[in-house]
Amino acid sequence: GAGVSQTPSNKVTEKGKYVELRCDPISGHTALYWYRQSLGQGPEFLIYFQGTGAADDSGLPNDRFFAVRPEGSVSTLKIQRTERGDSAVYLCASRAGPSRAEQYFGPGTRLTVT
Amino acid sequence: GENVEQHPSTLSVQEGDSAVIKCTYSDSASNYFPWYKQELGKGPQLIIDIRSNVGEKKDQRIAVTLNKTAKHFSLHITETQPEDSAVYFCAAANRDDKIIFGKGTRLHILP
Repeated sequence: GAGVSQTPSNKVTEKGKYVELRCDPISGHTALYWYRQSLGQGPEFLIYFQGTGAADDSGLPNDRFFAVRPEGSVSTLKIQRTERGDSAVYLCASRAGPSRAEQYFGPGTRLTVT
Repeated sequence: GENVEQHPSTLSVQEGDSAVIKCTYSDSASNYFPWYKQELGKGPQLIIDIRSNVGEKKDQRIAVTLNKTAKHFSLHITETQPEDSAVYFCAAANRDDKIIFGKGTRLHILP
C-alpha cells in the first residue's frame, strides 16, 4: 500500500515569505507527527496530532510555526515570516493508532530559505 | 525530558563483518526503542524496534538488545552488505508520544 507522502519535495522561498508543507499519512492512521531534521542531525519533534487535535505541540520553536489537520487525515505545516534558520528537511510520520507504536516516515520536504 | 546518546558517529566495517551501534537513554519512563535507517535524500525507514519488556529481538541479520537497568540499547548487524551503508538512528519514546532520536551513526561498508 501507499506510504506517507509529502509535498512539495523541495521548496525554496525568500526570507519573510509564508510557506505551507503538506503531509498525506498512511490511509487509516489516526496519529500524525511532524519532525524537523537539520543537516547531520537526527529528526527533532515538532507536533503530534491524534485525530484532528494537536495532542502535543511542545516542539514548535515559536509562534511562526502552526499546523492543522482539519479532517483527521491530511496535515499542513505552516510557517510564517520564514527565516534562514528555518532551512531544514521537514518530515512527517504516521502511526496506526493507540495500540501500535510504530511510526512510518515520509520522504520529507527540503525547505531552503534564501 | 528524554535524551538519547548514540555512538559511534561514524563506523566503517569490512563487507561481511559485523557492525554494532550503541545508545543510551535518560528517561526511565521510555518504553519503546525503534531503530531507523536513512539513505541519502530519503526519510527514515523503521528497520526494527524493541519494547521495554523484552531484552532482545532478532530479524534476519539485524538484532537489538536492551538493558533497562543500565538504560543501554544496541543494534547489531551481521554479515554486512554494501546496501547496509546508510545513517542509522536509535530512538526512545513512550508508546504514544514523540520519538527522541540520537544524532545518528554513518555506517560505511568497505568492499
